[in-house]
Amino acid sequence: DTGVSQDPRHKITKRGQNVTFRCDPISEHNRLYWYRQTLGQGPEFLTYFQNEAQLEKSRLLSDRFSAERPKGSFSTLEIQRTEQGDSAMYLCASSLEGGQMNTEAFFGQGTRLTVV
Amino acid sequence: AQSVSQHNHHVILSEAASLELGCNYSYGGTVNLFWYVQYPGQHLQLLLKYFSGDPLVKGIKGFEAEFIKSKFSFNLRKPSVQWSDTAEYFCAVRIDGQNFVFGPGTRLSVLP
Repeated sequence: DTGVSQDPRHKITKRGQNVTFRCDPISEHNRLYWYRQTLGQGPEFLTYFQNEAQLEKSRLLSDRFSAERPKGSFSTLEIQRTEQGDSAMYLCASSLEGGQMNTEAFFGQGTRLTVV
Repeated sequence: AQSVSQHNHHVILSEAASLELGCNYSYGGTVNLFWYVQYPGQHLQLLLKYFSGDPLVKGIKGFEAEFIKSKFSFNLRKPSVQWSDTAEYFCAVRIDGQNFVFGPGTRLSVLP
């Protein structure tokens, strides 16, 4: 499968614990996005990278959240000191950007986080 | 900040009925517009997109959408829905090549 892959698919953690999710984008894609989706809502933007540079981070994003894309390929999203309100589906997407090219974002299956 | 609104939270139709899902965005400049679909248990998939040119765009599975700049709208249509169209539909806007801003979604239930 050459699509966007995310790991793990499901994560249950106790409140206060740290969690880390991984996203592997489509191999030639230079842009990578993280979104969060709760039941009955649309995906909410968290952050995005162009290659290894983090270009934008949502102002609504708590400083407990951090993301990296160290070599411009896969990315990790870490949530420190998890809270019950962090329970959601975390989505990763990638796209190929450059010049006059405009493309859509391709999404992964997501990681469902449950904080108990 | 730009935002996207979708008119209906939940739409229920019988098979063969016509579908129109509303989408409005708040931004006065040049936009790229998208409709994504999420079938039960699956990831978000692109239905169709508008970048420029003909404001009536055709997508997969018989869906189409019309961009009306004066109304800041990008409504999704299908002349005859099938049970397999049951899914959640999201409108999204992209401005200046930045991130994608999604609407809250419309759940479509098609009764056999």
